[in-house]
Amino acid sequence: AQSVAQPEDQVNVAEGNPLTVKCTYSVSGNPYLFWYVQYPNRGLQFLLKYITGDNLVKGSYGFEAEFNKSQTSFHLKKPSALVSDSALYFCAVRDWGSARQLTFGSGTQLTVLP
Amino acid sequence: EAGVTQSPTHLIKTRGQQATLRCSPISGHTSVYWYQQALGLGLQFLLWYDEGEERNRGNFPPRFSGRQFPNYSSELNVNALELEDSALYLCASSLRGNYNEQFFGPGTRLTVL
Repeated sequence: AQSVAQPEDQVNVAEGNPLTVKCTYSVSGNPYLFWYVQYPNRGLQFLLKYITGDNLVKGSYGFEAEFNKSQTSFHLKKPSALVSDSALYFCAVRDWGSARQLTFGSGTQLTVLP
Repeated sequence: EAGVTQSPTHLIKTRGQQATLRCSPISGHTSVYWYQQALGLGLQFLLWYDEGEERNRGNFPPRFSGRQFPNYSSELNVNALELEDSALYLCASSLRGNYNEQFFGPGTRLTVL
């Protein structure tokens, strides 16, 4: 079975400060990991993914995420937050050995304060 | 290139009725996925169709069903609606076998009164 946990329902950060949105996962094999963002009344937009290779993954809009196998984490980061980054962020995992669908976390609402 | 489209945008039904939601994938995509996003529950995987066949389903009762047409568009049907079915239903599509590259539509907001 595969699962994802996003321990924070809400993250607030001041504009210009670094942001981190946390994600931990559980799979029986090797993971494929993803971050998506959802703006109000919109569908999900892909941000970045980890399949294999470099543990630091760079994605859209200046976001990056670090895969940490020992801590089973895939935290989303950005060096300098923008007010326009305010949205709902979802982490997702797929166990490449056994699963065909993504399992999503419960989401983290990021609010960047001006 | 057009993205994934879904219709209707909003749907209001009463308990016990049936709802039909539609999804058109990106041109060239043969796989369609359905997700339910209920308040406070994140995204829950519902169904996966590929090449007209149901390939997998999530932990939902049989009154959630669907189909995929020869043009790869898809319908999600929810029978005997219950209040807790109120949610945003998201459709995603991908190239066949490319489970890691799912593109999402804007969703259909279903409200059950």
